Amino acid sequence: DGGITQSPKYLFRKEGQNVTLSCEQNLNHDAMYWYRQDPGQGLRLIYYSQIVNDFQKGDIAEGYSVSREKKESFPLTVTSAQKNPTAFYLCASSIQGGSAEAFFGQGTRLTVV
Amino acid sequence: GNSVTQMEGPVTLSEEAFLTINCTYTATGYPSLFWYVQYPGEGLQLLLKATKADDKGSNKGFEATYRKETTSFHLEKGSVQVSDSAVYFCALGVNQGGKLIFGQGTELSVKP
Repeated sequence: DGGITQSPKYLFRKEGQNVTLSCEQNLNHDAMYWYRQDPGQGLRLIYYSQIVNDFQKGDIAEGYSVSREKKESFPLTVTSAQKNPTAFYLCASSIQGGSAEAFFGQGTRLTVV
Repeated sequence: GNSVTQMEGPVTLSEEAFLTINCTYTATGYPSLFWYVQYPGEGLQLLLKATKADDKGSNKGFEATYRKETTSFHLEKGSVQVSDSAVYFCALGVNQGGKLIFGQGTELSVKP
């Protein structure tokens, strides 16, 4: 079955450590996105990529980094520079950026302990 | 710039009540409009979409009409069920810019 897979579902990190969240899709989509969701709030865009080897900052990119070396993969690293990293992280993909519908993974809940 | 505004929640309804969740947008160009639904602890699922003015998107009894004159895309359902309890997000996408923009979400709680 085609889809978008995020792993792990739950992640615990000690303060000061970097951590990488995985996102893989087998939908052959060009565009991929990372969003952050905090309790009772909407989705805030962290980074997005419209094509391999290219990505753009979203609204809250500080303290995060990404790479897009393969079409199917868009990992997100939460660095120690991110002041408040505890959140629910959602990855999405679409056939093209902008006007096409997005397909979402199940999310990764990151908790800093 | 492009933006989406949704009515604030939570919205609490009794089963079989009529649902409206308001969504208005600001956009340059001709956006596509979407409604997504999120069940607890999960990612978002596309509920319905409309790609041009006067289009009506529909799915699972939910409907929304793309109104260019009022820049709105309100979500409606004639008779809600307990299983419709979730958070609903309105979103827009434009070809230029390459990203989807979401509203803040509206939590719906349906009581038996």
